[in-house]
Amino acid sequence: NAGVTQTPKFRVLKTGQSMTLLCAQDMNHEYMYWYRQDPGMGLRLIHYSVGEGTTAKGEVPDGYNVSRLKKQNFLLGLESAAPSQTSVYFCASNLAGVYNEQFFGPGTRLTVL
Amino acid sequence: KQEVTQIPAALSVPEGENLVLNCSFTDSAIYNLQWFRQDPGKGLTSLLLIQSSQREQTSGRLNASLDKSSGRSTLYIAASQPGDSATYLCAVRGDGGTASKLTFGTGTRLQVTL
Repeated sequence: NAGVTQTPKFRVLKTGQSMTLLCAQDMNHEYMYWYRQDPGMGLRLIHYSVGEGTTAKGEVPDGYNVSRLKKQNFLLGLESAAPSQTSVYFCASNLAGVYNEQFFGPGTRLTVL
Repeated sequence: KQEVTQIPAALSVPEGENLVLNCSFTDSAIYNLQWFRQDPGKGLTSLLLIQSSQREQTSGRLNASLDKSSGRSTLYIAASQPGDSATYLCAVRGDGGTASKLTFGTGTRLQVTL
């Protein structure tokens, strides 16, 4: 049972490049989330999904897109990377409902030059 | 808008000391509160989850309490060890709006010295 995994672990992009971050979970969780963590600002929710084929905007969605084609995977895309998107990105998941513990992946450190 | 505050931002204690980390939130309409641990360069590890109807939860040397009406939670660590050194984050799950959303504090960085 690997829990929540993220690929890649590190990435450096140039401004304007695109990339996709992959999150996978093997716990059969319905809900999945993408957060970013920046110094002094805590974790902020980018997008989330409450089930396969559904996505919703979080607190800071601009510049990002997501897809949830399979229940176990949640993809985060950056179409045209900007230096302001330099951050550590975390994926998380939990069973359906608001009463369940949320589990996090190890993170992806992204630098945009 | 929910705001979560953790004070102090950093704390250094000698090994063996009991300590308390504080978390406060502005909107008491929450489903639950979760405490996490984050080691440098790593992800978040869930420590304790307290539902809004509960007053406290315990796991080993950790005890978390919740006073929903006053918007406060504490994480008590007994007999601290150098391995407890990490950043501790609290997060509340809001009641309404983006109901699945966790709102995080910025954490307390704990160092336990020998």
